[in-house]
Amino acid sequence: AQKITQTQPGMFVQEKEAVTLDCTYDTSDQSYGLFWYKQPSSGEMIFLIYQGSYDEQNATEGRYSLNFQKARKSANLVISASQLGDSAMYFCAMREGEGDNYGQNFVFGPGTRLSVLP
Amino acid sequence: GAVVSQHPSRVICKSGTSVKIECRSLDFQATTMFWYRQFPKQSLMLMATSNEGSKATYEQGVEKDKFLINHASLTLSTLTVTSAHPEDSSFYICSARDVGGTFPTDTQYFGPGTRLTVL
Repeated sequence: AQKITQTQPGMFVQEKEAVTLDCTYDTSDQSYGLFWYKQPSSGEMIFLIYQGSYDEQNATEGRYSLNFQKARKSANLVISASQLGDSAMYFCAMREGEGDNYGQNFVFGPGTRLSVLP
Repeated sequence: GAVVSQHPSRVICKSGTSVKIECRSLDFQATTMFWYRQFPKQSLMLMATSNEGSKATYEQGVEKDKFLINHASLTLSTLTVTSAHPEDSSFYICSARDVGGTFPTDTQYFGPGTRLTVL
């Protein structure tokens, strides 16, 4: 079963507008972490934002904020005031399972390609 | 954030040759590094976990004799694709775990990736 679901393969947004990228996750752990990464066409994976399962407030990092709805198991990324440079693939990821299996327990969603229109 | 470098960024080789890819953590020590493979328009797939001073742990379906991993120091892991074939053409990305954090906050920092093309 998919641990991370990103239902939007592609999204378009007008420059300067806000956009929400969806992410839902599946875990039975009580303690876990949620991450968003950006991958531009160059290929590098850029860490954007982190949300802990016990964090009561939604995480924010500059223009990025995470709309965390624990009961719905969703962790949507909100990008405010979109810029042309925001055009990229965006991956939602989850870290669960405290212990030695770090790599196996850090799973990525299929990604959403965001295109910002001028 | 922590910086991870990867070299080379792009390599083209003939079928049957071996290619070595280096992954370095530049400003921190990484006891654990990870190697991923990414096909076009797909997500990252974990290939193996590289542990400093010990054998790598490979994911199911990944041939350990084909993808040799060496983690000889706390800042360097290498992936060698042996006897490469066209189907090995892919984007290979390494990452290093920021062990300064604690579960579940310790994130992964990624290298810029290596695009391998096997002719």
